[in-house]
Amino acid sequence: ETGVTQTPRHLVMGMTNKKSLKCEQHLGHNAMYWYKQSAKKPLELMFVYSLEERVENNSVPSRFSPECPNSSHLFLHLHTLQPEDSALYLCASSPSRDLSSYEQYFGPGTRLTVT
Amino acid sequence: AQTVTQSQPEMSVQEAETVTLSCTYDTSESDYYLFWYKQPPSRQMILVIRQEAYKQQNATENRFSVNFQKAAKSFSLKISDSQLGDAAMYFCAYFHSSNTGKLIFGQGTTLQVKP
Repeated sequence: ETGVTQTPRHLVMGMTNKKSLKCEQHLGHNAMYWYKQSAKKPLELMFVYSLEERVENNSVPSRFSPECPNSSHLFLHLHTLQPEDSALYLCASSPSRDLSSYEQYFGPGTRLTVT
Repeated sequence: AQTVTQSQPEMSVQEAETVTLSCTYDTSESDYYLFWYKQPPSRQMILVIRQEAYKQQNATENRFSVNFQKAAKSFSLKISDSQLGDAAMYFCAYFHSSNTGKLIFGQGTTLQVKP
């Protein structure tokens, strides 16, 4: 596989469920990102990791819990979500560890529906 | 605060014709990057074109070109000889190295290409 991959591509979950989104980058990059894309709104940055260390958390509710076990993998653990959390969740990676690089490569996204 | 605005939620163009997508932004920085990303229905976000703010020359990539007006903080995308495969959502984005790797996106413009 090449580039940035995300699984699952589609997820439907109830408000009491616990699920996880997975992202894997095959580019040798050092930084990874989670974005939320809601209809008719700009992409919102949720989390940034550089070399497995979280460097930014954009006031995201605690029902979203990221995990970055190594520079190639990024998870987003979900629990007790709300219907307004339904969105497309995009993962991206970037080469530079100091986050000075503008190059970001995106995965195809996970379409999440909360019922 | 840095912001990006795309005022055209939807645009349409006839195949083989030319279309221009608008973007304005706000920043107090002088050295930054601007981008146009394309998100086809398959949802993989890909970079279309990049402009460095310190360069006066407008960037061009094959049928895609930009009109960068730094003083006016305007950054439009021109697509020439439009093709059916150009149909997608287009996002304008801004990057400055002080933003801990954060890309700031506009709301997006959905482009329809009519045969």
